[in-house]
Order: sequence, then C-alpha cells, then structure tokens
Amino acid sequence: DAGITQSPRYKITETGRQVTLMCHQTWSHSYMFWYRQDLGHGLRLIYYSAAADITDKGEVPDGYVVSRSKTENFPLTLESATRSQTSVYFCASSESRLFQETQYFGPGTRLLVL
Amino acid sequence: AQKITQTQPGMFVQEKEAVTLDCTYDTSDPSYGLFWYKQPSSGEMIFLIYQGSYDQQNATEGRYSLNFQKARKSANLVISASQLGDSAMYFCAMRVTQTGANNLFFGTGTRLTVIP
Repeated sequence: DAGITQSPRYKITETGRQVTLMCHQTWSHSYMFWYRQDLGHGLRLIYYSAAADITDKGEVPDGYVVSRSKTENFPLTLESATRSQTSVYFCASSESRLFQETQYFGPGTRLLVL
Repeated sequence: AQKITQTQPGMFVQEKEAVTLDCTYDTSDPSYGLFWYKQPSSGEMIFLIYQGSYDQQNATEGRYSLNFQKARKSANLVISASQLGDSAMYFCAMRVTQTGANNLFFGTGTRLTVIP
C-alpha cells in the first residue's frame, strides 16, 4: 500500500528556473492539497483540488501553478523559482471535504532555491 | 477566520512520564475537527488523533489522548508513558466545513524532547 508519495524528496535549483514537484496517491481520494512548511508558520495551503480538473487557490498561491488531469496525480510547478520559495513542500489527500476526514500527508520535498 | 495557537515552542519530559501539549483554537464554525500530527526528525507528518466538535467523549489512541474543553476552545494532547521515540515536533490542526478550501489550519508546533 504505497499511500501518498512525493518526488523528488530533495531538490536544489537556481533562481528563475522552473521546477515541478510531483505528488501521487493510490487511495483514489477526491481532495488533494499542497502545503508549504516554513519555520514559525506551521503549514500553509498553496493550492488544493476537489477532483480531476478542479483546482483552486489557497493562502499562499503566488508563484505556483497546479494541474490535476488524473485523480491520483497533483503536480505543483514553480514557474520561475525565487529564494523565498525555499521550503519544505507537503502534498496531502483526503477522501472528502468533510471536517471529520483526516488528511494524510506525503513524505515532503525539501526545496532549496539558490 | 480560523486560528490555532500553540504557545509552547519546546517541552521537555522525562522518559516514562506523561506530558501535555497545549493547543487553543478559534473558529465561528460550529462544525470542526481537531487533529494532532507528529513530525519526527525524518520530516514526515504522521496523523495521531482526531476530535470532532460534536464528540461527547475525549478521543484516545493508545498512549495519546486529547483533552477537549469546548468552552475553553482547547484541545490539548496528552502523551502518557513517554518514550524516546516521542521526541518530535507536534502540530495541532483544525478543519472546518465552511471554507472553500476545506484545508487544515495549523499551529506553529511544539518541539517535544524526551529525556532518558
């Protein structure tokens, strides 16, 4: 049972480059989320998706693009990476939007933008 | 607006002792869920325990229990019989029904260190 996986686990890039972080889940969960974790801020929502081809912005969407052509995949793209996007990125999924539903997280991607 | 507050940046506990990690929340939504996650040094986020706003009893999962005081808007995590492997960051989070994103709102976390 793979659950939710992210790739790469570590990434170093340079300012201005495009970077795509991958997220794949095997549970067929409808909802998927991208969070970033920064010291002193906990986790903050970047984008989320309610189903294939349905995405929407979260709290900190600037500089990011998402797509969801298949239920199981939810890639996050940094179109032109900036140093402020150095962070740990977590993908999560849940079966529904109900408040009772637990969100399960992938292992995270550590991104360093030089 | 939803807000989670964790006022303890760091806590220490002796091995085999119990420890309480504080969490207070703020929301105007009557329906919400409260979650605790553990983040060990390896970095993954591990779900520990859940409490619903309508639940009458405090949630328990093995050595974890949630001290839910609705009137005080607090949802403290109690870890009994601490083990060295409990050393980690602990995050309190809340999920409500009314926001469009329906995401989790996180506190800033508490770093727990278990002393042998």
